[in-house]
Amino acid sequence: EVQLVESGGGLVKPGGSLRLSCVASGFSFTNAWMSWVRQAPGKGLEWVGRLKSKTAGGTTDYAAPVKGRFTISRDDSKNTLYLEMNALKTEDTAVYYCANTDPPRGYQLLNWGQGTLVTVSS
Amino acid sequence: DIVMTQSPDSLAVSLGERATINCKSSQSVLYSSNNQNYLAWYQQKSGQPPKLLISWASTRESGVPDRFSGSGSATDFTLTISSLQAEDVAVYYCQQYYTLPLTFGGGTKVEIK
Repeated sequence: EVQLVESGGGLVKPGGSLRLSCVASGFSFTNAWMSWVRQAPGKGLEWVGRLKSKTAGGTTDYAAPVKGRFTISRDDSKNTLYLEMNALKTEDTAVYYCANTDPPRGYQLLNWGQGTLVTVSS
Repeated sequence: DIVMTQSPDSLAVSLGERATINCKSSQSVLYSSNNQNYLAWYQQKSGQPPKLLISWASTRESGVPDRFSGSGSATDFTLTISSLQAEDVAVYYCQQYYTLPLTFGGGTKVEIK
């Protein structure tokens, strides 16, 4: 059974930093391309960014609103994905989900974690 | 960026009746080299994460009931629930994975009339 478990959310002041984690199990994490998607309270889904597998180059892509402030990384030995968030703004308040992609099957988001809530407020 | 526009924003359907959700992309998501539409549908029930229902515009994921079907091509797509059940109450999102950034429609809330 595929499981993705996010953690690390919480309350942070504007300008602050936070690191989210996503622990994966039940699939080949090493070969997976991993994404972060967020959902502001009562709003729709917004893709944050993606990290390819190391065999695919290990490169990252980000949405414009977070580029330069957020960094996605992975530790394949721990089956863990990270999202480092700096210079946080109130508009970054959202539930953050991690999701996996299996490129041979396409680039859709196959499985999602339960999410972790990040609140940016003074 | 490809803009995904869903309609309606919400709809109320009687149990056992058909629900139809539309999704339009601002440019084609049909990849000509493999003739595949890079379009997915997700279901999000209250308090839960999204769940992938349909990939490639019309391919149901394993375990998804066959009352859910997807159709369309290029820029116009439809998700149909042929006979609405109580457990189908949710918000449904379309998403293109043709190019980055991945983009979602605004969502359609389906309720019971």
